[in-house]
Amino acid sequence: EADIYQTPRYLVIGTGKKITLECSQTMGHDKMYWYQQDPGMELHLIHYSYGVNSTEKGDLSSESTVSRIRTEHFPLTLESARPSHTSQYLCASSELTGLIYGYTFGSGTRLTVV
Amino acid sequence: GNSVTQMEGPVTLSEEAFLTINCTYTATGYPSLFWYVQYPGEGLQLLLKATKADDKGSNKGFEATYRKETTSFHLEKGSVQVSDSAVYFCALSPDLLDNYGQNFVFGPGTRLSVLP
Repeated sequence: EADIYQTPRYLVIGTGKKITLECSQTMGHDKMYWYQQDPGMELHLIHYSYGVNSTEKGDLSSESTVSRIRTEHFPLTLESARPSHTSQYLCASSELTGLIYGYTFGSGTRLTVV
Repeated sequence: GNSVTQMEGPVTLSEEAFLTINCTYTATGYPSLFWYVQYPGEGLQLLLKATKADDKGSNKGFEATYRKETTSFHLEKGSVQVSDSAVYFCALSPDLLDNYGQNFVFGPGTRLSVLP
């Protein structure tokens, strides 16, 4: 049974629309992450959070934004979707160091912008 | 900086063949090392880990040994099955003394296809 949930699994949306990808975890983890995964399968960290009210930009510049108002919830928002945003988005969480259980990943949201 | 290098894929094997996926890393101190697996349409799952030099991680017939002298953490399995077809990611967590709370560094992934 998954401890981290992403919705929706698949989303097809028109250019210019605002979208929010949801991510929730039930493990009480402090850290949460958003990765963008390209067709070559490589992972790119776009946002992360150390805890409530903490948000940090990752290694890959992204036009998306995130918020962390509650420990368990880490939504990602695109104000105006573009075809270049088409990708797989993976959410993950961990305790602060990630050493005990590693990162726990959600099943991903596959976003297509037409 | 910290980095992880993996052998390029795709790797195609016949069922029951021996598998090796090479992983080498660059990092200061003593990072912890991980292998993750991603099945089609899913997120990544932790496969095994090793937190200190000479440790061997193992799970589901896969194993990997943390070799400090060669900065390597190669993934091996003696006899692969069709169900092992997936993408495999090597990752490191920086040494806590140097980088407490720093993010994992993931390799680019290696796609494995096992044919019946």
